[in-house]
Amino acid sequence: EADIYQTPRYLVIGTGKKITLECSQTMGHDKMYWYQQDPGMELHLIHYSYGVNSTEKGDLSSESTVSRIRTEHFPLTLESARPSHTSQYLCASSVGPTPSRTNTEAFFGQGTRLTVV
Amino acid sequence: KNQVEQSPQSLIILEGKNCTLQCNYTVSPFSNLRWYKQDTGRGPVSLTIMTFSENTKSNGRYTATLDADTKQSSLHITASQLSDSASYICVVKDRGSTLGRLYFGRGTQLTVWP
Repeated sequence: EADIYQTPRYLVIGTGKKITLECSQTMGHDKMYWYQQDPGMELHLIHYSYGVNSTEKGDLSSESTVSRIRTEHFPLTLESARPSHTSQYLCASSVGPTPSRTNTEAFFGQGTRLTVV
Repeated sequence: KNQVEQSPQSLIILEGKNCTLQCNYTVSPFSNLRWYKQDTGRGPVSLTIMTFSENTKSNGRYTATLDADTKQSSLHITASQLSDSASYICVVKDRGSTLGRLYFGRGTQLTVWP
């Protein structure tokens, strides 16, 4: 069973508020990811990290920011939430590949359903 | 352009019946293909992961096949149960970058009726 946790599971917040979505994993994985998923649509990568102090933007442009100060923690922050930010946000992690282990599994958290009103 | 296409978009079957979900991809260079099950409002959970050299892999009542030549995969569910109702997502990983980018299909929404 994957040990990756997201909080909160559900969040309803007013426009203009600052929010932070938490993601923690206890597997010691180097790589962590944030995906955004709208109903019936595919997951889109918005941020990723190779390790501590490493963060990169993903394929889908996002106004959110991330930080990676500790290996196990990868929070996502929206400075000023807007209704267009309403979506499901999924965090994932994986261990880096080695010569003997190329099929690195990606483990997902339960997701945070964000609604901005 | 790297893409993953799944069909059908949605499927309704009766409990106890079998079904097969399809996935076609254009991701290159190919690393591996995964099938995930995603319950409504939850994160995806891995069912199978297959590399270029693997043609079939089973996980209980789930059997995935891969034809790397035609870039097609299928997920066969045997003796369906109500708890199989979920979205099934095909994910292909490329090996052309350090990140090992994952490309997601939109999923097949399976509903199992009693």
